Amino acid sequence: GQQLNQSPQSMFIQEGEDVSMNCTSSSIFNTWLWYKQDPGEGPVLLIALYKAGELTSNGRLTAQFGITRKDSFLNISASIPSDVGIYFCAGQNAGGTSYGKLTFGQGTILTVHP
Amino acid sequence: NAGVTQTPKFRVLKTGQSMTLLCAQDMNHEYMYWYRQDPGMGLRLIHYSVGEGTTAKGEVPDGYNVSRLKKQNFLLGLESAAPSQTSVYFCASSSHRDRGNEQYFGPGTRLTVT
Repeated sequence: GQQLNQSPQSMFIQEGEDVSMNCTSSSIFNTWLWYKQDPGEGPVLLIALYKAGELTSNGRLTAQFGITRKDSFLNISASIPSDVGIYFCAGQNAGGTSYGKLTFGQGTILTVHP
Repeated sequence: NAGVTQTPKFRVLKTGQSMTLLCAQDMNHEYMYWYRQDPGMGLRLIHYSVGEGTTAKGEVPDGYNVSRLKKQNFLLGLESAAPSQTSVYFCASSSHRDRGNEQYFGPGTRLTVT
């Protein structure tokens, strides 16, 4: 089946630093989603990408849909303590009989030191 | 708009006991999903539903059953709980879109089986 490799597994950064993480797939997706999960909560959708090459921002977050359709990147600029959490990428082949099923990466644990 | 809600939030079961987890959504979404989250494994799909009265198996369906008698509710049942089912369970919902199905998650149910 499809697999997503998300890296890095964890990051320890100082407040104010920029963060980059990425996901790569063994097969093509036509939608990429990025979620953040706070401790004890469910994942919250941050950014959705629908087109190869697409670059989308949400405040200090920027995500890109790779040209090959097999990867995606998430950047966080000027990190703050509330950015702490687990970030998940998810790939999807929408339409047809896929029924919106997502394939998730294992997550990147982000720790921000004030 | 409550979004996706889950009950209960926490539960402890003994091996062999049964229970039902309830998921409700008020967004009129056609699709609903049940996931489990285990350390280092990311989110894995247990079962999903593409509409009222329909269910289908996901990646890890063994030991679970589901029902979707009403569009807004999706129930996950454990008939005979096992310690391997200790996990955090998340429900999600999405609308049917060819462009991409953005899934929205509930807060989770933390289940421990002793």
